Amino acid sequence: QKEVEQDPGPLSVPEGAIVSLNCTYSNSAFQYFMWYRQYSRKGPELLMYTYSSGNKEDGRFTAQVDKSSKYISLFIRDSQPSDSATYLCAMRAEKLVFGKGTKLTVNP
Amino acid sequence: NAGVTQTPKFRILKIGQSMTLQCAQDMNHNYMYWYRQDPGMGLKLIYYSVGAGITDKGEVPNGYNVSRSTTEDFPLRLELAAPSQTSVYFCASSYAQGGGIEAFFGQGTRLTVV
Repeated sequence: QKEVEQDPGPLSVPEGAIVSLNCTYSNSAFQYFMWYRQYSRKGPELLMYTYSSGNKEDGRFTAQVDKSSKYISLFIRDSQPSDSATYLCAMRAEKLVFGKGTKLTVNP
Repeated sequence: NAGVTQTPKFRILKIGQSMTLQCAQDMNHNYMYWYRQDPGMGLKLIYYSVGAGITDKGEVPNGYNVSRSTTEDFPLRLELAAPSQTSVYFCASSYAQGGGIEAFFGQGTRLTVV
């Protein structure tokens, strides 16, 4: 079983839609849960992170962590064409492990 | 403050050749990582280091070697390059836990083995 599982998509939505991205994991030692955004031919950049369980909101983005289910989510409200990118979940105990990434396209 | 600097940006290698991908960071981060990214496959951890003189294997270490003689530098060595090593390689660095969670990435090195 892979440490981090993420549906690679791709996901295509109309502008203004609510987007839900998810990851599951198997390693109970993970304490930090992150979402990175990667534009084409660029390195990933941190979008949001959460320590342990709970929710965190930043503008149109909400990150949720459910440690009991080993499940994390990223919600994007009022999605914009500029949100089109690949979104990678990442988790960390000592090493930093990434999911496969979900390619999102928001159509005008 | 340059962040994480990777060199070269592009390289074509012949099968069996060797090379070193350079990575340097100027943020005094103690954690450094090497990942490879293949199309649709996310980032796979090759090696990581929690401080100078300490390295450990990640998910896909075969065919690679690393060293960490200083806090700033974390080179990745490819011996006997193979077509399966064609990929985009990213170096990243971060603080230890509690010191700031964000991992900063370099621009990547696009390697083709022919």
